[in-house]
Amino acid sequence: SQTIHQWPATLVQPVGSPLSLECTVEGTSNPNLYWYRQAAGRGLQLLFYSVGIGQISSEVPQNLSASRPQDRQFILSSKKLLLSDSGFYLCAWSVGTYAYNEQFFGPGTRLTVL
Amino acid sequence: AQSVTQLGSHVSVSEGALVLLRCNYSSSVPPYLFWYVQYPNQGLQLLLKYTSAATLVKGINGFEAEFKKSETSFHLTKPSAHMSDAAEYFCAVSELGTWDMRFGAGTRLTVKP
Repeated sequence: SQTIHQWPATLVQPVGSPLSLECTVEGTSNPNLYWYRQAAGRGLQLLFYSVGIGQISSEVPQNLSASRPQDRQFILSSKKLLLSDSGFYLCAWSVGTYAYNEQFFGPGTRLTVL
Repeated sequence: AQSVTQLGSHVSVSEGALVLLRCNYSSSVPPYLFWYVQYPNQGLQLLLKYTSAATLVKGINGFEAEFKKSETSFHLTKPSAHMSDAAEYFCAVSELGTWDMRFGAGTRLTVKP
């Protein structure tokens, strides 16, 4: 069966510090991978998606970046965090073509920037 | 671009009462529609999805939703609420040919004993 892992589960970081969040998927090959951010009281905002190794598409311009160094590994990074980067970050995966296939979500990382 | 609107950020029902969570979508092509549930500090779990087959879709935990093209709606219902249904519910839409799944702002369901 497929599983998705995210770590860390929670993170408190000072403004201006770097960020690295990791997501890995097990039990499937060549998944589509997604990073979402969920701010308090708001829906999910798609940040990045990837359909293959080294292929990253950005949906929202900001100080975050994503990388996919391996087929089932997706990393979200920042060189300098802003207060507005606080939120709940969710990684998701799907298979098949385009977004109409079900997306499976990880447990999330709660990031607080102070 | 496709979008969804969830009417009511908070819904409160009594245990055993009908649950109705509203979702309206906007799409230029036939949409694919989803309902997800999120429990506190957890990821999202798929409840059900509509992909152009039957208009009445049954999901897990006794939930169902009906696709109504004329009303551009995909409301989520459950005949009898249970305390364990308390959570946040998200409606989402995607379109064939895109990589986007657009989520609504969510509806927090509270179930009173």
